[in-house]
Amino acid sequence: SQQGEEDPQALSIQEGENATMNCSYKTSINNLQWYRQNSGRGLVHLILIRSNEREKHSGRLRVTLDTSKKSSSLLITASRAADTASYFCATEAGNTGKLIFGQGTTLQVKP
Amino acid sequence: SQTIHQWPATLVQPVGSPLSLECTVEGTSNPNLYWYRQAAGRGLQLLFYSVGIGQISSEVPQNLSASRPQDRQFILSSKKLLLSDSGFYLCAWSTGFLYGYTFGSGTRLTVV
Repeated sequence: SQQGEEDPQALSIQEGENATMNCSYKTSINNLQWYRQNSGRGLVHLILIRSNEREKHSGRLRVTLDTSKKSSSLLITASRAADTASYFCATEAGNTGKLIFGQGTTLQVKP
Repeated sequence: SQTIHQWPATLVQPVGSPLSLECTVEGTSNPNLYWYRQAAGRGLQLLFYSVGIGQISSEVPQNLSASRPQDRQFILSSKKLLLSDSGFYLCAWSTGFLYGYTFGSGTRLTVV
């Protein structure tokens, strides 16, 4: 069963604008991760935030985690056309290392 | 450096034919290995995972099976493909929880 649900399903912005994607999940987690997928390719790990962390930064990426609301957001600042891709959140629970992925947000950045 | 190889990139197979997709990892020992399937425009569905040689856990009952004959080799198989087996198959590895996954480039399987 799917754990994470991303919102919105699709997002279209102009280059230079910020893009915000949200993820909600249902059960307690060890960590939440964000991945990027270019069309027809494998996924690339972007950032991992642990359940005891509230915010994390990596370059132009900012991830927040609210465990009380079981939600996370991914902010991409100053977007570029090369950021066009699908973005997935994934949650890890228990001690098996299994990741459960959401349905993804498709981001289009127009030059 | 650590790399993951997955092949073939694309595959067209007739209904009822067998399937064997292979994934190998280099540069690490005793990785956790995973097979996912992605339907068009959708998220990833975990099919199998393995924490060691010969140890396979199945997440979804289906027409597929997995094997791990060597530490860094993970194979996805089917004896008889169904139309519903079409999809994008992704192999991934990790060194355990609290670490991200590294994905292969995927195999697009079309069953005709």
